[in-house]
Amino acid sequence: NAGVTQTPKFQVLKTGQSMTLQCAQDMNHEYMSWYRQDPGMGLRLIHYSVGAGITDQGEVPNGYNVSRSTTEDFPLRLLSAAPSQTSVYFCASSYSKEDGGAFFGQGTRLTVV
Amino acid sequence: GQQVMQIPQYQHVQEGEDFTTYCNSSTTLSNIQWYKQRPGGHPVFLIQLVKSGEVKKQKRLTFQFGEAKKNSSLHITATQTTDVGTYFCAGPGNDMRFGAGTRLTVKP
Repeated sequence: NAGVTQTPKFQVLKTGQSMTLQCAQDMNHEYMSWYRQDPGMGLRLIHYSVGAGITDQGEVPNGYNVSRSTTEDFPLRLLSAAPSQTSVYFCASSYSKEDGGAFFGQGTRLTVV
Repeated sequence: GQQVMQIPQYQHVQEGEDFTTYCNSSTTLSNIQWYKQRPGGHPVFLIQLVKSGEVKKQKRLTFQFGEAKKNSSLHITATQTTDVGTYFCAGPGNDMRFGAGTRLTVKP
């Protein structure tokens, strides 16, 4: 099993550019989420999904969009990149909210200049 | 999701010393999860606690869930350099929220 796969691993964007961070899982998990991690800030929830076709906002959703057209994929779109979005982004999936833990991808290190 | 507060933010110990991190919530939690993130790595699930007063052990790691299900702790006995990393607790819910984490460094 590949688990949770994130691409790319590293990315540099110019301010104002848009891009999509990819996340795919092969465990048939219903729950998927995106977090950003900044130094000293821990993991902050951006968006999450409880199943295909269902998404919701987390703590810091501004500047990001998501969609969940399939169970496997949960892409994160940056609409117009800003330096404040420089961070490490993690995608996670889990079978359910009550049963077992979340599996995380390897992360995407994004720098916006 | 339910917010959880975690202390301390940093802990530096000598190898062989014990280490404890605490997680607190203002509301009752249905469960709590613990994760470890090695430097430069991604969070890895360690354990989930569900029952009031539950205590679980994984080798030198002991996890506790408070009687009121509002607090939890992770205790490491006789730390080793392999224990280095940041330990996070996370509250339940579709929108799982993480504590700020405790960063553990171990001096050989």
